[in-house]
Amino acid sequence: EPEVTQTPSHQVTQMGQEVILRCVPISNHLYFYWYRQILGQKVEFLVSFYNNEISEKSEIFDDQFSVERPDGSNFTLKIRSTKLEDSAMYFCASSDIQGKQYFGPGTRLTVT
Amino acid sequence: LAKTTQPISMDSYEGQEVNITCSHNNIATNDYITWYQQFPSQGPRFIIQGYKTKVTNEVASLFIPADRKSSTLSLPRVSLSDTAVYYCLVGWGAGSYQLTFGKGTKLSVIP
Repeated sequence: EPEVTQTPSHQVTQMGQEVILRCVPISNHLYFYWYRQILGQKVEFLVSFYNNEISEKSEIFDDQFSVERPDGSNFTLKIRSTKLEDSAMYFCASSDIQGKQYFGPGTRLTVT
Repeated sequence: LAKTTQPISMDSYEGQEVNITCSHNNIATNDYITWYQQFPSQGPRFIIQGYKTKVTNEVASLFIPADRKSSTLSLPRVSLSDTAVYYCLVGWGAGSYQLTFGKGTKLSVIP
């Protein structure tokens, strides 16, 4: 079965540094998403992306965040200046026109 | 977005059938009902989706009454590996839409 993949699995960074989280969605999917889950809390929607632009974004997705699909396969989430509270699991998901979202294994981001 | 309510936790013995009920009183006409499973430190995994009546796949069944104000996920003959958090989500089921996760139901399967 096709899978969403994410790299790295764990990223440690210092406060104020920029990080880029990478995702390879399922190849024939058209819609891409980022979610995050702070330890012990709910999965929270960050942003959705379709046709090379943002479709929706949540209040969490402020100016420090950006997404990009730099080529035909990768989908990235950039955090420009990380804060301690950005420490979380970040999940990428993709879906086809039918809308069933398939999630990747996540990147654990630790900001020190 | 329709609010969902489901039990915080459930326990079951191996081999039993488990039914997790979710209420969604203000579900909209276009909304689908979707269930996801999440193991610790892993991404949510799609289990099943339905609009009305009954849907069955190789993993689970989903029962939706005529008024669609609730739904029940049925897991037949659970095993220890089914220990996970199960989320009921309600929303538009096609195209691009944000999934709104609640706290889910933590299912613990006991040997």
